[in-house]
Amino acid sequence: GQQLNQSPQSMFIQEGEDVSMNCTSSSIFNTWLWYKQDPGEGPVLLIALYKAGELTSNGRLTAQFGITRKDSFLNISASIPSDVGIYFCAGQLGSGGGADGLTFGKGTHLIIQP
Amino acid sequence: NAGVTQTPKFQVLKTGQSMTLQCAQDMNHNSMYWYRQDPGMGLRLIYYSASEGTTDKGEVPNGYNVSRLNKREFSLRLESAAPSQTSVYFCASRDRGRGKTQYFGPGTRLLVL
Repeated sequence: GQQLNQSPQSMFIQEGEDVSMNCTSSSIFNTWLWYKQDPGEGPVLLIALYKAGELTSNGRLTAQFGITRKDSFLNISASIPSDVGIYFCAGQLGSGGGADGLTFGKGTHLIIQP
Repeated sequence: NAGVTQTPKFQVLKTGQSMTLQCAQDMNHNSMYWYRQDPGMGLRLIYYSASEGTTDKGEVPNGYNVSRLNKREFSLRLESAAPSQTSVYFCASRDRGRGKTQYFGPGTRLLVL
C-alpha cells in the first residue's frame, strides 16, 4: 500500500520559534491533509490541500501541496505552548468527492520549552 | 451537536473474547471509517463504508468485521481478540463531495491480554 514518510519524528523547540515539518510519498495523492492530535483525543483537521502547488494558511499555520503531488510541508510560525501535540500528514487518493480512506504519516511530535 | 461518538472509551479483553466497538455520528454524513493507531504510528484504515449498505476493506482488515447499521451507526467487531489488536481505535465520518473532510471521534482504547 501507499506509505507516507513524515519528518522529523520529533522536535524540541523554544517558544516563539518557527517550526517546519514535511511529508513525502512514493505515490501521487490528490488531496493532502494536516491533522493535530492532542493526548487522549482524535485527530483534528488543520489544513486541507486539493491542488498541486496550492499554498494555504490558517492563522500561524501554512501548508503547501507539492507540485509533483508526492509531498507536502507544514510550517508553524511563532510557536506557542498550545501548539504542543502530534502532527500528522495524510493523503487521499481521491480528489475529494470519493469515500476512500486516508493514508497517514507516522507523525511529528512537537515539544515546546517555555 | 455531538459530532462523532464512540463507546466504550476503554476496554480490557482476554485473548479469544469478542466485542463490538460502537460509533455514531449526528452530522448526516454518508461515509464512515474505522482506523487503528499503534504507538509511534499514524492511523491505519481498517474498514470503511462509503454509504449506508456498503462496506469495503482498508489497509488492515484481518481479524475485524464491520456493520453499517444505518446512516448514523458503524460498528467494528472483533470475533476472537488477539494481543496484536491492542490499540486505540478511531471512528471517523465524512460528507460526500469535494472539500469535505473527515471528522474523528475521541477513540476507544483496547487492551487484549
